[in-house]
Amino acid sequence: QVQLVQSGGEVKKPGASVKVSCKASGYRFTKFGINWVRQAPGQGLEWMGWISVYNGNTNYAPRLQGRVTMTTDTSTSTAYMELRSLRFDDTAVYYCARDYGDIPTPFDYWGQGTLVTVSS
Amino acid sequence: EIVMTQSPATLSVSPGDRATLSCRASQYISNNLAWYQQKPGQAPRLLIYGASSRATGIPARFSGSGSGTEFTLTISSLQSEDFAVYYCQEYNYWPSFTFGPGTKVDI
Repeated sequence: QVQLVQSGGEVKKPGASVKVSCKASGYRFTKFGINWVRQAPGQGLEWMGWISVYNGNTNYAPRLQGRVTMTTDTSTSTAYMELRSLRFDDTAVYYCARDYGDIPTPFDYWGQGTLVTVSS
Repeated sequence: EIVMTQSPATLSVSPGDRATLSCRASQYISNNLAWYQQKPGQAPRLLIYGASSRATGIPARFSGSGSGTEFTLTISSLQSEDFAVYYCQEYNYWPSFTFGPGTKVDI
C-alpha cells in the first residue's frame, strides 16, 4: 500500500536550517510529484512547494522562495524539504503529500507530519 | 494570486443533520477543486476531487458540486466521525496550489 513516512520532530534555533525527509513506498516513486504543506499551531494548511520526482522541476510558494529547497533521491525513494533562516513563525507541522506529477491533481496520500519547533 | 474563501468558518450541527459547506475561488478554476477532511492530530484526507468525484473509500454521504468559482460540499447525514475541519483546495494552476482557510464542523 502507498505510504509516505516522514522523519521525526525537530527543535531548531532562529536562523538555523531544518531538513525533513519523506520516504515513499508502495508505488513507483518517479511517476508522481511530491508537495510540502505546513500547518502552524491552530492554523490552516499552507502549500509550500512542489517537486517533480521524474525530472526534478520545482515550484515554490512565492513567500518561501529563496528559503526553501526541495529535492528527491530516487535511489531511496525519499523526498527532502530544507528550510533555511528559520523564524519563530516557521513553527509548524510539515507534511509531504503526493500528486500525479504531470497533470493537475490533488493530494491523494499524505505523510504523518513532522513537527518543527523554532525556539531560542 | 488566487484566493480561496470558505464559509461558514464554523458550522454547529447535530448528528443526523445535513451539513452544507461553501468554497469560493477568486478566479475561474473549472472543476479543479478538491475537499479534504482533517481531524485533530491527523494529516488531511482527500474526500472529493474534480469538484464532485469521491476519493477511494469515501462514504456516499459526502458529495461535492459546483464549477467555475462556486463550490459546495454536502454531508447528507452527519455521523460522529464527521466532526472535523474541512478544507477546499484549487489545483487549476498546478503546479501551484491554494487552500481555503477551512470550515470547522462541530457539535
